[in-house]
Amino acid sequence: QKEVEQNSGPLSVPEGAIASLNCTYSDRGSQSFFWYRQYSGKSPELIMSIYSNGDKEDGRFTAQLNKASQYVSLLIRDSQPSDSATYLCAVKGNTGTASKLTFGTGTRLQVTL
Amino acid sequence: EPEVTQTPSHQVTQMGQEVILRCVPISNHLYFYWYRQILGQKVEFLVSFYNNEISEKSEIFDDQFSVERPDGSNFTLKIRSTKLEDSAMYFCASKALETQYFGPGTRLLVL
Repeated sequence: QKEVEQNSGPLSVPEGAIASLNCTYSDRGSQSFFWYRQYSGKSPELIMSIYSNGDKEDGRFTAQLNKASQYVSLLIRDSQPSDSATYLCAVKGNTGTASKLTFGTGTRLQVTL
Repeated sequence: EPEVTQTPSHQVTQMGQEVILRCVPISNHLYFYWYRQILGQKVEFLVSFYNNEISEKSEIFDDQFSVERPDGSNFTLKIRSTKLEDSAMYFCASKALETQYFGPGTRLLVL
């Protein structure tokens, strides 16, 4: 069973701080990794994708990938109250182009004023 | 910006009834997916669909479930005889390259 593990939180950070969200995965053959944001009662919304080892930055968001350690992280700089949501780590399977996403349980982030 | 749409947004049904959940994927996408999320749990894969056939399905996707792309734009999920445990949010997703884009979901409640 291929697993994606996340700390469920809640992770509480003050406004303006850096939020650090972590994810580990079990399938060493995985090649594509995604962070989605999900507000309560809403659908997953793509934040970042990352495919190569290292960092990828997009605005206030930085995704980090370490395939040797099977570890993906998401940093949110200058956290805002609107960032309060559940962040889902998703890993694409390696059964082909149509491969499914396997999701973690998500980390709930609370940005406090 | 193009987006995945789903109807209905909410569906209440009696146990044993058939339901059809509808999705309109983004128009140039070729890969289509259904996921579900039981309240408080993680998003779970149900089925993927490409080139008018199922590519992959999960253990959840048993004989009570079926998918169809009836007219080149809609993508449907049918549950033949609903059970209480089918109550969940059902998300349709589509993709062209690597990224799956999710629709707003259908909240299904089975009584």
